[in-house]
Amino acid sequence: ETGVTQSPTHLIKTRGQQVTLRCSSQSGHNTVSWYQQALGQGPQFIFQYYREEENGRGNFPPRFSGLQFPNYSSELNVNALELDDSALYLCASTQGTGGAPYGYTFGSGTRLTVV
Amino acid sequence: AQSVTQLDSHVSVSEGTPVLLRCNYSSSYSPSLFWYVQHPNKGLQLLLKYTSAATLVKGINGFEAEFKKSETSFHLTKPSAHMSDAAEYFCVVSDPWGSTLGRLYFGRGTQLTVWP
Repeated sequence: ETGVTQSPTHLIKTRGQQVTLRCSSQSGHNTVSWYQQALGQGPQFIFQYYREEENGRGNFPPRFSGLQFPNYSSELNVNALELDDSALYLCASTQGTGGAPYGYTFGSGTRLTVV
Repeated sequence: AQSVTQLDSHVSVSEGTPVLLRCNYSSSYSPSLFWYVQHPNKGLQLLLKYTSAATLVKGINGFEAEFKKSETSFHLTKPSAHMSDAAEYFCVVSDPWGSTLGRLYFGRGTQLTVWP
């Protein structure tokens, strides 16, 4: 079975620009979550998609948005980039919702640098 | 609300000696707890998980963790460290089983250094 794949691996953007990050979930998984990991910190929950619907959101502004597609792949969009958005963005997938009893499979992340 | 506290930001051990990474949790419910490892420039790999079955949980690469409800702890141990164990380790608690959301709440991480 394939794992979670993310693209691109690295990205440099200018403040004020928009960015789209992509994630392919592990085969058989229908739930995708996105996390932001700032340097030296643990990952912070951005939002989660279950069967193409956003079913939960962390403490992130509306300029962070997402989509999940019928094949359960997902996109994270960030508008009006700020310097503090520089981070590693991690995508994770699992089967179903409700406490993640199966654990999440994480991708290797996209390193976003905003200059 | 769920949260975890990793008590050490850095741990250094010599190769072949035991590893202990400490984690305390706070949860309003019976928690689901995890340890993840992150090697440089890599994603997160699940080491082990506790979901209210046996309190001593065995994971990959010789790691194990013991759930102690009375101490609200979930410390990670390994009898003998290898050089390849050098990485960042995260203790994680999730939203409770049966909730509509499965958010993960990460600690700040413990950087493990292994000396030859």
